[in-house]
Amino acid sequence: DVVMTQSPLSLPVTLGQPASISCRSSQSLVYSDGNTYLIWFQQRPGQSPRRLIYKVSNRDSGVPDRFSGSGSGTDFTLKISRVEAEDVGVYYCMQGTHWPPTFGQGTKVEIK
Amino acid sequence: EVQLVESGGGLVQPGGSLRLSCAASGFTFSDYWMNWVRQAPGKGLEWVANMNQDGSKKFYVDSVKGRFTMSRDNAKSSLYLQVNSLRVEDTALYYCTRGSIWSSDYWGQGTLVTVSS
Repeated sequence: DVVMTQSPLSLPVTLGQPASISCRSSQSLVYSDGNTYLIWFQQRPGQSPRRLIYKVSNRDSGVPDRFSGSGSGTDFTLKISRVEAEDVGVYYCMQGTHWPPTFGQGTKVEIK
Repeated sequence: EVQLVESGGGLVQPGGSLRLSCAASGFTFSDYWMNWVRQAPGKGLEWVANMNQDGSKKFYVDSVKGRFTMSRDNAKSSLYLQVNSLRVEDTALYYCTRGSIWSSDYWGQGTLVTVSS
């Protein structure tokens, strides 16, 4: 199975400051159709996961533009330009290129 | 509004069985792949299974093969997961999600399965 490795696992951030989460895969996530199926999810405390970003950098409807995704191949990043209180939670990357889909361990974002 | 509502979880002894359900609304259910994903208490996310639009293609992770069976009823806009021969390590919140493995754009609130003697 493809191993997804996130860092850091814990990210204390000051309100209004940027945050960055890294996600690395053990194999290239480029699919045979040329797409890269890397997704970012946000899970707020007590809630179900919510998709934020799909295919590396496409933001879902309703997701604030302070969230952005980037990367290619095996190396990906989720950035929050200015952290707000509602961004507290655990963030997961997930690859859907290889079966079975696999998730990173999660990065807990908290306010300092 | 897209809604996915899971049910059927509960406390069961090791070796027991349950049938989980997911009622879908707000979209044309028969147009979408559907999935089951689980999350052990306080842990991360694990893919369990997925199925194509007409149920002719099903895929399971190795840890549940032969024990879990996914099905759907498009006329009822419902998804199911029959979970047999349950193990303590199957204890988790089970989510249904919409879309292919590279999508999962909507998630339900989950149904909790607890396997304990």
